[in-house]
Amino acid sequence: RKEVEQDPGPFNVPEGATVAFNCTYSNSASQSFFWYRQDCRKEPKLLMSVYSSGNEDGRFTAQLNRASQYISLLIRDSKLSDSATYLCVPPYGNNRLAFGKGNQVVVIP
Amino acid sequence: GAGVSQSPSNKVTEKGKDVELRCDPISGHTALYWYRQSLGQGLEFLIYFQGNSAPDKSGLPSDRFSAERTGGSVSTLTIQRTQQEDSAVYLCASSRDTGPNTQYFGPGTRLTVL
Repeated sequence: RKEVEQDPGPFNVPEGATVAFNCTYSNSASQSFFWYRQDCRKEPKLLMSVYSSGNEDGRFTAQLNRASQYISLLIRDSKLSDSATYLCVPPYGNNRLAFGKGNQVVVIP
Repeated sequence: GAGVSQSPSNKVTEKGKDVELRCDPISGHTALYWYRQSLGQGLEFLIYFQGNSAPDKSGLPSDRFSAERTGGSVSTLTIQRTQQEDSAVYLCASSRDTGPNTQYFGPGTRLTVL
């Protein structure tokens, strides 16, 4: 099993709808995890950092399922500006964060 | 404050030439990372520096790749005898400390090897 796996998509989402996707990981030694957002031809930028089992920030909810070894991101009331690739960084105890390849989200008017 | 900066933003070189890519991390950040991202792909970890500790070079794809970090701040990634498969965006990131901390990315250097 790869360190981090994400379904690349694309996830085509009607504007205003809810979309959710998961990121599975193979090792776990901490509870911190991150979601980054990467726009086309831009660098990744932090979307959410979570130091517990979950976090909610406005329309975005991130959760950790340690038993099944996945983290999830849910976007409610999707906006056109949410179109991007979302990179997961699951919990690891070492110094190096392992990034998933990303879930591409396309919000359709 | 100033974010992570990288130079050059774009670099076109001929196969076989050496290139140097520069990264200026956020002031006070002790950890510095280099990644490579090919078109449509995820981030590939290359190397990690933390303070004065020996760097984690486990991600470097070949001995043509090397990196230095002088004075605990600026870092240079060097690729010798470049190959076409080295073409990618090279991203640098820094974070405050060791462990699972937020990484802040620079805008990247887009390297094209002809």
